[in-house]
Amino acid sequence: DAGVTQSPTHLIKTRGQHVTLRCSPISGHKSVSWYQQVLGQGPQFIFQYYEKEERGRGNFPDRFSARQFPNYSSELNVNALLLGDSALYLCASSLLTAGGTDTQYFGPGTRLTVL
Amino acid sequence: QKEVEQDPGPLSVPEGAIVSLNCTYSNSAFQYFMWYRQYSRKGPELLMYTYSSGNKEDGRFTAQVDKSSKYISLFIRDSQPSDSATYLCAMSSQGAQKLVFGQGTRLTINP
Repeated sequence: DAGVTQSPTHLIKTRGQHVTLRCSPISGHKSVSWYQQVLGQGPQFIFQYYEKEERGRGNFPDRFSARQFPNYSSELNVNALLLGDSALYLCASSLLTAGGTDTQYFGPGTRLTVL
Repeated sequence: QKEVEQDPGPLSVPEGAIVSLNCTYSNSAFQYFMWYRQYSRKGPELLMYTYSSGNKEDGRFTAQVDKSSKYISLFIRDSQPSDSATYLCAMSSQGAQKLVFGQGTRLTINP
């Protein structure tokens, strides 16, 4: 079975531009979460989506937005890019069981460089 | 104060050694504890998932949770060069929508 897939693998943008990152979850998983990992740090939670609805949001500015599609894939959008947005963006998928706390499986990430 | 503290290392040990990796946390609501392994320029890979205090073993890996001390550990026995990676602890509370990660410990196993 295919794991979590993300595209593109690498991306170079300039300050002020916007970017769209894409994620396809593991088959059967209905929840997608996004994390930002700055070099040398652990991932930081950005969003979680379940059944196309936002279930949680981390401490990130409104320049960050996301959505989930009927096939459970997801997009992360970042507007007005800043140098500090340079990071590895990780997507994780999970079943999101009734207990609410689930095992998250990560994709390979999209490495964004802002110049 | 960060919710989860993890010594970033780097940690370098000879092949075959027992490795101990640790995290402390401040949020007593955390109930689920995970260890991820991340190779350079790759996404995190889930190694261990524990819920309660105590030990959980999987092959050469043992995860230990001490909720009273707010302290978790990962032990690697008979370490191999292929274990060289960054190890991330992560945790969450009941019904939480996010994982809270430590900074990660960079581990090198020398042949």
